[in-house]
Amino acid sequence: DAGVIQSPRHEVTEMGQEVTLRCKPISGHDYLFWYRQTMMRGLELLIYFNNNVPIDDSGMPEDRFSAKMPNASFSTLKIQPSEPRDSAVYFCASSTQRGDAEQFFGPGTRLTVL
Amino acid sequence: AQSVTQPDIHITVSEGASLELRCNYSYGATPYLFWYVQSPGQGLQLLLKYFSGDTLVQGIKGFEAEFKRSQSSFNLRKPSVHWSDAAEYFCAVGAIGGSYIPTFGRGTSLIVHP
Repeated sequence: DAGVIQSPRHEVTEMGQEVTLRCKPISGHDYLFWYRQTMMRGLELLIYFNNNVPIDDSGMPEDRFSAKMPNASFSTLKIQPSEPRDSAVYFCASSTQRGDAEQFFGPGTRLTVL
Repeated sequence: AQSVTQPDIHITVSEGASLELRCNYSYGATPYLFWYVQSPGQGLQLLLKYFSGDTLVQGIKGFEAEFKRSQSSFNLRKPSVHWSDAAEYFCAVGAIGGSYIPTFGRGTSLIVHP
């Protein structure tokens, strides 16, 4: 398996623009997670899905952030409009539906909002 | 709710020296415990995990961790550090029942001097 795939790897955009981050989880994994990592706040869980259904989005910072999982092999995280404080590395991770399941992380998308 | 504390933000060791990274957790029952490593520019990778049984857990890359219930700790150790071990290390604690979603610590940055 190719592992968790994220695209793009780097994104530079201007304030106010819409940003869409994409993730393909490992086939057969039932959970998908979106994290944000910054120096100031560390690794933050934004939202997670179970069987394509959003379970907990309490970590989503504002209404400008939205996430979807239309099928088991694809998820998006959208920021509209983007702001400079959204600059961070965004990780997608997936895991199996087991209590002892490790999370498999993608390589991340480094977002810079100018 | 579970929580995890990594008291050391940075640790500096010389190559060949031993290493111990601290992790303390808060959870009412026996938790699921993980250590992940993040190399620069990459996602997190599982080093080892503990669920039950032997309290000394062996992981990849020569790492081990010991679960001490009385101290609510799960410290990561390595007898001899290599320059390639320089990375960010995250401890995570998961809960049984209801949610399998681990909570991550803030991370400890390991610096290795030649």
